[in-house]
Amino acid sequence: GNSVTQMEGPVTLSEEAFLTINCTYTATGYPSLFWYVQYPGEGLQLLLKATKADDKGSNKGFEATYRKETTSFHLEKGSVQVSDSAVYFCVSIQGAQKLVFGQGTRLTINP
Amino acid sequence: DTGVSQDPRHKITKRGQNVTFRCDPISEHNRLYWYRQTLGQGPEFLTYFQNEAQLEKSRLLSDRFSAERPKGSFSTLEIQRTEQGDSAMYLCASSSDRGPIYEQYFGPGTRLTVT
Repeated sequence: GNSVTQMEGPVTLSEEAFLTINCTYTATGYPSLFWYVQYPGEGLQLLLKATKADDKGSNKGFEATYRKETTSFHLEKGSVQVSDSAVYFCVSIQGAQKLVFGQGTRLTINP
Repeated sequence: DTGVSQDPRHKITKRGQNVTFRCDPISEHNRLYWYRQTLGQGPEFLTYFQNEAQLEKSRLLSDRFSAERPKGSFSTLEIQRTEQGDSAMYLCASSSDRGPIYEQYFGPGTRLTVT
């Protein structure tokens, strides 16, 4: 089945630093890919998506590009804020309904 | 608040006891999902309902686990004869078949500790 491997954390950065969280996937075919985020004390929520190769998903200053040739979907943000502190999950979809999550990367941004 | 709600938020039980969790999805959502998340890992799919029909079950869902969604609204997840390995966060999510499949809305989870 599909699987997702993402950069191990925790990651600690200073405010306004550049962020990259690496994610690679294995799958049969070309699944849609997503980043979900879990802010402290809140439920998981969809951050951004890319449904086919070369798509770029973006939201809240975050971006990720679906790269078929490297089977990657790295999350980037040019200038992080303290409010971006959260756990980030790289996710693919298997079959019709099943989300397949990476192990999560805890990000802490210091002022 | 019209999001996904789960009850209880925390449950501590002794090994061998039965526990039941409840999930109330967003009211207009006809799809409901259960996931399990252990410490330091991402959520793992357990089962999925379309209305009241349970359409898919993971191999993770042993015979001790049962899920129901009797009227196509709220759902319950029961674990019988709990084991220490059942300690985890149990997450519920819902989505609408009028929206993208991948856009699932998650509840806050029920944290189970088996002592």
